[in-house]
Amino acid sequence: DAGITQSPRHKVTETGTPVTLRCHQTENHRYMYWYRQDPGHGLRLIHYSYGVKDTDKGEVSDGYSVSRSKTEDFLLTLESATSSQTSVYFCAISEFPRLAGDTYEQYFGPGTRLTVT
Amino acid sequence: GQNIDQPTEMTATEGAIVQINCTYQTSGFNGLFWYQQHAGEAPTFLSYNVLDGLEEKGRFSSFLSRSKGYSYLLLKELQMKDSASYLCAVLHTGGFKTIFGAGTRLFVKA
Repeated sequence: DAGITQSPRHKVTETGTPVTLRCHQTENHRYMYWYRQDPGHGLRLIHYSYGVKDTDKGEVSDGYSVSRSKTEDFLLTLESATSSQTSVYFCAISEFPRLAGDTYEQYFGPGTRLTVT
Repeated sequence: GQNIDQPTEMTATEGAIVQINCTYQTSGFNGLFWYQQHAGEAPTFLSYNVLDGLEEKGRFSSFLSRSKGYSYLLLKELQMKDSASYLCAVLHTGGFKTIFGAGTRLFVKA
C-alpha cells in the first residue's frame, strides 16, 4: 500500500470554527489531491497540487484553502466550518508515469470523517 | 461541461457475470479509470483504459469506446467480497486531474 496517512481520522467541530486536515505521504509523489465524498455525489475534487507551493482549485473549492510547503504534506483548511461541509474527506496522490504500464492512478488515504454541528 | 453517468445500484448473484456501464462527456480526455470502494474504506485502483478496446485483468475486464464516450467494467465469477461501489473516473488532458462519477453500488447475493 502507498504510504498515505490522514489526520485526524475523525473530527467533530462547531459551525464557524476553522479546521485543518493533514495529508502526509512517504511516496515522494508529485501530485496531491483533496476530495470530499457525499452520498449521491461520489468523489468531488476540492483542490489539488502539482508541486510544492503549486496548487489549483477543483470543482467545489469555495470555503476551502490548501497549502503545500513540502512534498510530503498537503493541508486542507476549512476557514469557517459550516454544516454543509460535513463529509468524508479523502486525500490522494499520483505520479507522472515513468515505466511501461504506469498510469496516473491515484492512491487514496484512509479518509477523515468530519462532522460540523 | 463534464458529466459522468453510471447506474446507482446493481444486484447480481454469486458466480455470475455483471457489467457496470459508464458514459461520459468531458472537455478533455486522457483515459478512464475504474476504482473499487468497499463501505467505509478508501477507493482502490482497478483499471485504466486510454485506447479503445478491452483490457483484461483476472476476473475484471474494462472496455472503452472513445468515440461513444462509453466504458464498462465486467466482473466475472462474482464473489461476495465483490460487493462494493465501483467508481468510473475520467483523467483530464494534462494528465493528473481526475473527475469521478457518483459510483455504482454492487450487491452480490448468495
